[in-house]
Amino acid sequence: KAGVTQTPRYLIKTRGQQVTLSCSPISGHRSVSWYQQTPGQGLQFLFEYFSETQRNKGNFPGRFSGRQFSNSRSEMNVSTLELGDSALYLCASSRQYSSSADTQYFGPGTRLTVL
Amino acid sequence: DAKTTQPTSMDCAEGRAANLPCNHSTISGNEYVYWYRQIHSQGPQYIIHGLKNNETNEMASLIITEDRKSSTLILPHATLRDTAVYYCIALSSNTGKLIFGQGTTLQVKP
Repeated sequence: KAGVTQTPRYLIKTRGQQVTLSCSPISGHRSVSWYQQTPGQGLQFLFEYFSETQRNKGNFPGRFSGRQFSNSRSEMNVSTLELGDSALYLCASSRQYSSSADTQYFGPGTRLTVL
Repeated sequence: DAKTTQPTSMDCAEGRAANLPCNHSTISGNEYVYWYRQIHSQGPQYIIHGLKNNETNEMASLIITEDRKSSTLILPHATLRDTAVYYCIALSSNTGKLIFGQGTTLQVKP
C-alpha cells in the first residue's frame, strides 16, 4: 500500500510570492492534517481536513489556507510569503476524523525555502 | 491536551535495549500515549500507541504505568538506523491534534 505522498519535495520562492503544496493521503484515508516544522518552533499543527471540510485549525495567520478534494487529496496554500515561512511542511493522513484518535501517518514533507 | 516531558538526549549501544522515558503526569482518561520518531529531515514515523495497557508491535514495546503518569518506549535491540528524535505525545481523542514537544534525540553507538 502506497504511503502519503507530497509534492513537490523541494521548493524555492521569494518573499511576497504565494505557494501551493499538495498531499495525497494513503488510499482509504479520509482525513488530512498539515504541520509546519522549523528549527525554532518545532512541529506545529496547521489544520485538518475531513470530508472536504476544515475540522481543526492551529494558531497560524490567515495567509495559511488549505482545501480538500472529494478524493481526499489536499492542498495547502501560503500567500504573501515571508522569510519565516521557510520550513518543512508535513502532511499526515488517517482513516477517520482525528477525534477518533486514529493513527496519523506522515508523508516525507515539502521543504520550502523563502529568499 | 496533556504536556509530555522527555529527556533531551540519550545514548544507547548498538544491540542493546533502548529505554526512552516520558512523563505525562497531567494526562486525562481519554488521552492516548503515542510515539513517533523522526530521522533527520524525514517525515515522522509512527511507532506505537496505547491507552492503559502495555503494547507491543514489530518495532517496539510501550510500557504505561498503572497511574498513567509516565511511560517507557523500549526498542529491544537498537541498531544504528534507530538513531533519531523520538517524540512522546499525549493525544486527546477529542481534538486529535498531535502536539509535538522537543523529543529525545537517541544516538545509537557502535
